[in-house]
Amino acid sequence: DVQLTQSPSFLSASVGDRVSITCRASQGIGASLGWYQQIPGKGPKLLIYDASTLQSGVPSRFSGRGSGTEFTLTISTLQPEDFATYFCQQLAFYPKTFGQGTRLDNK
Amino acid sequence: QVHLQHWGAGLLNPSETLSLTCAVYGGSLSGYYWNWIRQPPGKALEWIGEIEHRGYTTYNPSLESRVTISVDASKNQFSLRLSSVTAADTAVYYCARGDLTMSGSFDPWGQGALVTVSS
Repeated sequence: DVQLTQSPSFLSASVGDRVSITCRASQGIGASLGWYQQIPGKGPKLLIYDASTLQSGVPSRFSGRGSGTEFTLTISTLQPEDFATYFCQQLAFYPKTFGQGTRLDNK
Repeated sequence: QVHLQHWGAGLLNPSETLSLTCAVYGGSLSGYYWNWIRQPPGKALEWIGEIEHRGYTTYNPSLESRVTISVDASKNQFSLRLSSVTAADTAVYYCARGDLTMSGSFDPWGQGALVTVSS
């Protein structure tokens, strides 16, 4: 299975900050990576697909980059509604796997 | 806008069979892959398997011997059955649509259903 390792696991930041989350794959997956936001009590929400394409309706402060084994999700200017858990997912190989998640807390 | 809603028993005894159904509202099953995912308390998401609208399935090898995913096109629904459950199967279970135009990324997801296995 392709292992996805996210860093950091926990991140404390303030409204207005710029934050980045990294996802590393145990083998090359091209650009077959998605980023999701999860708020407690709700189903996850797709933010980015194909490593860097913003899903329709997602604010432009979210961006993704990377290919192969290293990927980054960046939030350019944190808003109050962005404090949540974020995780990556690879879709290049079966079984489809997820990173362990990064919890973003309000400092 | 497509919306997924799922239901099923929330409390099971060990060795019983977990059964969940996910209804698709506002869209068709055709042209997409329909997935089940779970998240044990405090752990990462785990993909369980998927079904294509014609019934072709792919399962996570870690669960394949106990999993059956089926589709009912007439009701615009798909279902999950997981046999011989143990406490390790306690998790929030999600259904989600996989879209090949987005490399199969999952969107949307259902709201999640907590299934607890306990004697």
